[in-house]
Amino acid sequence: GAVVSQHPSRVICKSGTSVKIECRSLDFQATTMFWYRQFPKKSLMLMATSNEGSKATYEQGVEKDKFLINHASLTLSTLTVTSAHPEDSSFYICSALRERGLTDTQYFGPGTRLTVL
Amino acid sequence: GENVEQHPSTLSVQEGDSAVIKCTYSDSASNYFPWYKQELGKGPQLIIDIRSNVGEKKDQRIAVTLNKTAKHFSLHITETQPEDSAVYFCAASLNYGGSQGNLIFGKGTKLSVKP
Repeated sequence: GAVVSQHPSRVICKSGTSVKIECRSLDFQATTMFWYRQFPKKSLMLMATSNEGSKATYEQGVEKDKFLINHASLTLSTLTVTSAHPEDSSFYICSALRERGLTDTQYFGPGTRLTVL
Repeated sequence: GENVEQHPSTLSVQEGDSAVIKCTYSDSASNYFPWYKQELGKGPQLIIDIRSNVGEKKDQRIAVTLNKTAKHFSLHITETQPEDSAVYFCAASLNYGGSQGNLIFGKGTKLSVKP
């Protein structure tokens, strides 16, 4: 199957600092990537859709100035949590869309555990 | 918009038994239904998916059935093993195949397989 990586897998930062999370599709090109947030024992919540070469589309209630998304190449999307606060602590998961005409499939990364002190 | 309901929220079975997880969706236009397995501290892993032009799909011990009329789909795991223990998520999507539809997830089912 398709492989999607995330880096770092875990990060601990101080309140007020910014953290960048990378999402890479390793064996396919992805025009579209997605960023999710998952709270403990909860389902995945879509934060934004990242489109290569254009601005990301954010879901309602997600602050675009707080969660900066850059999709600079067909294999890399980054999520930057700016001025992080303890309430931003969460499990962040990206996915990449492998497009094959009528059989588009979304593959997920392993996730990044962010802890803001 | 689309809404996906998933049942049960927890499921405990004995090793070797079968497990069934059911999902219903609200938007009849949805045409893609994947199932993901998520182990603790890891990202979701696609285990099987079905598209609205078929009613059933099987891959070894895993099968998915789709009833478009009733708008529900189910995951069936036979001969369960302890390593099948995880949280399983169903999802539904609009407009796959050319258009970029977002996945709408169910709330997950925690499956425990007891040896």
